[in-house]
Amino acid sequence: AQSVTQPDIHITVSEGASLELRCNYSYGATPYLFWYVQSPGQGLQLLLKYFSGDTLVQGIKGFEAEFKRSQSSFNLRKPSVHWSDAAEYFCAVGAYGGYNKLIFGAGTRLAVHP
Amino acid sequence: GAVVSQHPSWVICKSGTSVKIECRSLDFQATTMFWYRQFPKQSLMLMATSNEGSKATYEQGVEKDKFLINHASLTLSTLTVTSAHPEDSSFYICSARNREENTEAFFGQGTRLTVV
Repeated sequence: AQSVTQPDIHITVSEGASLELRCNYSYGATPYLFWYVQSPGQGLQLLLKYFSGDTLVQGIKGFEAEFKRSQSSFNLRKPSVHWSDAAEYFCAVGAYGGYNKLIFGAGTRLAVHP
Repeated sequence: GAVVSQHPSWVICKSGTSVKIECRSLDFQATTMFWYRQFPKQSLMLMATSNEGSKATYEQGVEKDKFLINHASLTLSTLTVTSAHPEDSSFYICSARNREENTEAFFGQGTRLTVV
């Protein structure tokens, strides 16, 4: 069955610290992977996506993610977190470049301490 | 570009009434739109896939008579929650796929529905 697992429900980091949010997927075909961020009461903003090619993907707001096929993972990283990064982060997997429906993980809520 | 707009952003309705939510692609044509539902502090679950000019495809467990979807044009899909009840209160988000480009679907800002 297709699924996305985000093991960490809630993460708290200090401002300026590095961040890594974990994402593991189970998908029968070639996965197309996404990270979205959602602020309270808001829609989703795409941070980055992986379709093919270089397994290290750069996104907006200083985020990057690395696709590791052997580990079925697509972890999101940021070297230095800002207070404005506090939000909910969703990993998602889809087929055919996300043209079709997406399967979302449960989300990780990030809190940033000053 | 690639803006998807939902209307309204929030709505409060009484039990037993129906509510219509609109999803519009503002600067592109979308043959396919997706409707998701998000309960508080939970993830997004796909409800249905809306295809222009044809019937929507509903996910297992989603009542098609309860959640009516109409995709009458290439820029508009509507979700109508019929005979709403408090358990229908949720955050509804749509996404739309550009028919001209091989890119992912773009999300609207969501609609908060509260049924009292």
